Amino acid sequence: DVKVTQSSRYLVKRTGEKVFLECVQDMDHENMFWYRQDPGLGLRLIYFSYDVKMKEKGDIPEGYSVSREKKERFSLILESASTNQTSMYLCASSTGGEEKLFFGSGTQLSVL
Amino acid sequence: DAKTTQPNSMESNEEEPVHLPCNHSTISGTDYIHWYRQLPSQGPEYVIHGLTSNVNNRMASLAIAEDRKSSTLILHRATLRDAAVYYCIRNNNAGNMLTFGGGTRLMVKP
Repeated sequence: DVKVTQSSRYLVKRTGEKVFLECVQDMDHENMFWYRQDPGLGLRLIYFSYDVKMKEKGDIPEGYSVSREKKERFSLILESASTNQTSMYLCASSTGGEEKLFFGSGTQLSVL
Repeated sequence: DAKTTQPNSMESNEEEPVHLPCNHSTISGTDYIHWYRQLPSQGPEYVIHGLTSNVNNRMASLAIAEDRKSSTLILHRATLRDAAVYYCIRNNNAGNMLTFGGGTRLMVKP
């Protein structure tokens, strides 16, 4: 089975800190995605990547950046965390085309 | 607009069929329709997807309207474990999954 692993299940950070959320997939998928999920808003796409060193903005990229140095790893970076970035962050991967997404279990980030 | 429209919530009785609707009136000819569900405290999981023809798998069936502007996810016999939020999304076949909408929260009554 495909596994998408997010490094932390829960994370607490302070305002202004630089935050790294890590995601690793073990099935050689080309595409990787970062979403955030907030009550009543569903999942919103932050960034995605369809190849190493490639990235594309999603619907809500402001305040975030990403890094994909290796195919299996996709990092989400909050350069200066703010309280409005408190959310559940979900990473996903897929082979591309019509293929389905595989999600990690999520990281609940609290910014105090 | 790449989003889909779904009812906020639906209720079903256990052992009865459930039909979850989704509108995607601006869908393009090459967009696939995907359905995912999210159980509490978990990431979403794939349910089913299709392009034009109806699709069946062990989890559910997907009925796609002839004009492709809507689709319906069918759970043939709802169980308590099917209580989840169900998302319908469009995949533009470039591997770029678009934003999920709010989904439909399905409640199953025993």
